[in-house]
Amino acid sequence: KNQVEQSPQSLIILEGKNCTLQCNYTVSPFSNLRWYKQDTGRGPVSLTIMTFSENTKSNGRYTATLDADTKQSSLHITASQLSDSASYICVVGSSGSARQLTFGSGTQLTVLP
Amino acid sequence: EAQVTQNPRYLITVTGKKLTVTCSQNMNHEYMSWYRQDPGLGLRQIYYSMNVEVTDKGDVPEGYKVSRKEKRNFPLILESPSPNQTSLYFCASSGSGPQSGNTIYFGEGSWLTVV
Repeated sequence: KNQVEQSPQSLIILEGKNCTLQCNYTVSPFSNLRWYKQDTGRGPVSLTIMTFSENTKSNGRYTATLDADTKQSSLHITASQLSDSASYICVVGSSGSARQLTFGSGTQLTVLP
Repeated sequence: EAQVTQNPRYLITVTGKKLTVTCSQNMNHEYMSWYRQDPGLGLRQIYYSMNVEVTDKGDVPEGYKVSRKEKRNFPLILESPSPNQTSLYFCASSGSGPQSGNTIYFGEGSWLTVV
């Protein structure tokens, strides 16, 4: 069964600090890995998309990495801001499944002043 | 502006009263999908559509129906809602299937409560 596990479940950091969120997946065959930011009560917004051949992708202060061998990804947030407070969701796409996308449960990040 | 628009955003209904949640996208996308999000769980796919008149079940299709008569619209139909369908619903669209690596755009969500 395809699965995406994210850690930690929740994280609290101070404004200006860096943090790293983790994503482990067992999805086969792998197609792509996406990170989304979801503000409370809002729709998810795409941060990065990586395919098998990419091992890093940046979007401003957000940098995602992918290790397809170990089936792990991380999202690094640099110089956090209050507006970074949100749920960050890892999503893995499969080219072989009718379901096509497997979602993690998300990491709830809170940035305090 | 690229948009996925859902209506209604908030709805309280009673058990058994049929309802439809509309979804429209303005990006001429082929792929559209519905998800539900419940506390502690990741988004779960209800139904998806690869193109007009082509729909398929996701992980949790029971109790839902969809149709894709036009490219821009993908309504979600609850024929006889039950309390376990109380959830936050998201519609999404993409230029092609998610295995392609295209960005998937989500709507703002529809909060549905069935009493």
